[in-house]
Amino acid sequence: EAQVTQNPRYLITVTGKKLTVTCSQNMNHEYMSWYRQDPGLGLRQIYYSMNVEVTDKGDVPEGYKVSRKEKRNFPLILESPSPNQTSLYFCASKADRGSTEAFFGQGTRLTVV
Amino acid sequence: GEDVEQSLFLSVREGDSSVINCTYTDSSSTYLYWYKQEPGAGLQLLTYIFSNMDMKQDQRLTVLLNKKDKHLSLRIADTQTGDSAIYFCAEGAPNGGATNKLIFGTGTLLAVQP
Repeated sequence: EAQVTQNPRYLITVTGKKLTVTCSQNMNHEYMSWYRQDPGLGLRQIYYSMNVEVTDKGDVPEGYKVSRKEKRNFPLILESPSPNQTSLYFCASKADRGSTEAFFGQGTRLTVV
Repeated sequence: GEDVEQSLFLSVREGDSSVINCTYTDSSSTYLYWYKQEPGAGLQLLTYIFSNMDMKQDQRLTVLLNKKDKHLSLRIADTQTGDSAIYFCAEGAPNGGATNKLIFGTGTLLAVQP
């Protein structure tokens, strides 16, 4: 089954404790991205990756890092989480730049206290 | 600038039609999308329309695009309780644009009353 898998689904952590949210897709997609969803703001793009070792900032990259060492994985790293990063995070993938359909993961609800 | 706006809430009775509206500002958008988000779930692509189309119908879903007014709507016929969810309108730039991102609206919560 074609899917985008995020882990964990829920996470509560403390300010400053480094964490990683993993994202994996089994569709051999080139393009992957991370969004955060906040009430009244919709989804905003954090980072994206056009292919292996090619990543770039989206609209709200501050406080986040990503890596793309393999095609299937695109982890989101919070080196020093802060309460304003409490949000619902979605990973998405598309076959390539011109594809119309993006596939989304189930989401990761992160709370930073 | 890029901005996609939706009303926040819509309540309908089961069996009625629902119309969810969206306005966008980027006239260069190539594709306009409707996504559905059920509680605790990710986003599911419902349908999309190419910017040179006025209308697209897919079973109970009808998408209308008024490019002059930059207005997009999603009509759900015979709305069911299972249609209760948040619906996001999104626009995509030509060939994905520089950042290949989708620009999402704030989402409309559709509540279907039995």
